[in-house]
Amino acid sequence: GAVVSQHPSWVICKSGTSVKIECRSLDFQATTMFWYRQFPKQSLMLMATSNEGSKATYEQGVEKDKFLINHASLTLSTLTVTSAHPEDSSFYICSAKGGTTDTQYFGPGTRLTVL
Amino acid sequence: DAKTTQPPSMDCAEGRAANLPCNHSTISGNEYVYWYRQIHSQGPQYIIHGLKNNETNEMASLIITEDRKSSTLILPHATLRDTAVYYCIVLQGAQKLVFGQGTRLTINP
Repeated sequence: GAVVSQHPSWVICKSGTSVKIECRSLDFQATTMFWYRQFPKQSLMLMATSNEGSKATYEQGVEKDKFLINHASLTLSTLTVTSAHPEDSSFYICSAKGGTTDTQYFGPGTRLTVL
Repeated sequence: DAKTTQPPSMDCAEGRAANLPCNHSTISGNEYVYWYRQIHSQGPQYIIHGLKNNETNEMASLIITEDRKSSTLILPHATLRDTAVYYCIVLQGAQKLVFGQGTRLTINP
């Protein structure tokens, strides 16, 4: 149980385009989902927290107009990187928690490369 | 900021027990100790968590000292697939997971 999937697992796009990443909880209802970013040889950094049906809460320094987060259902959250630039190239990871547990379960990650 | 201190790296022989320490001297009474690991280029994997009692599951055992200021994650029979970065995180309720640098565990054949 407690499986989280992400799609796509990797994506390459041109500078200036937008990219959408999906995060799904497969066997539980995720009341809260989180989006992290990880640069090479660094630890995970939380970007934003989203509760189903509410606006996401962004961490300091994360541009909410650039990283659009939608958590429209209890099993799906999406992260859209708008007008992507090479410096947005990173490993994006989502996590989800729900029910009576505070344990977060992570997706496998999406590697974004912006050319 | 992360509230835990872990050694940056450790080595362990395959088949032996791997004991990963974590210091969390400022832990408060309602904060849990969580352990995750991240294998290269994958998302973190939940291992185990505990409040004050020792815990065991199919992956590992968690030993928490009586004063709760430190803990040890034990992988009883390490395999090559256990090579990963292990993160010890203290967390209470709706708090955010804050990842430090973790311990890079290398299992040697």
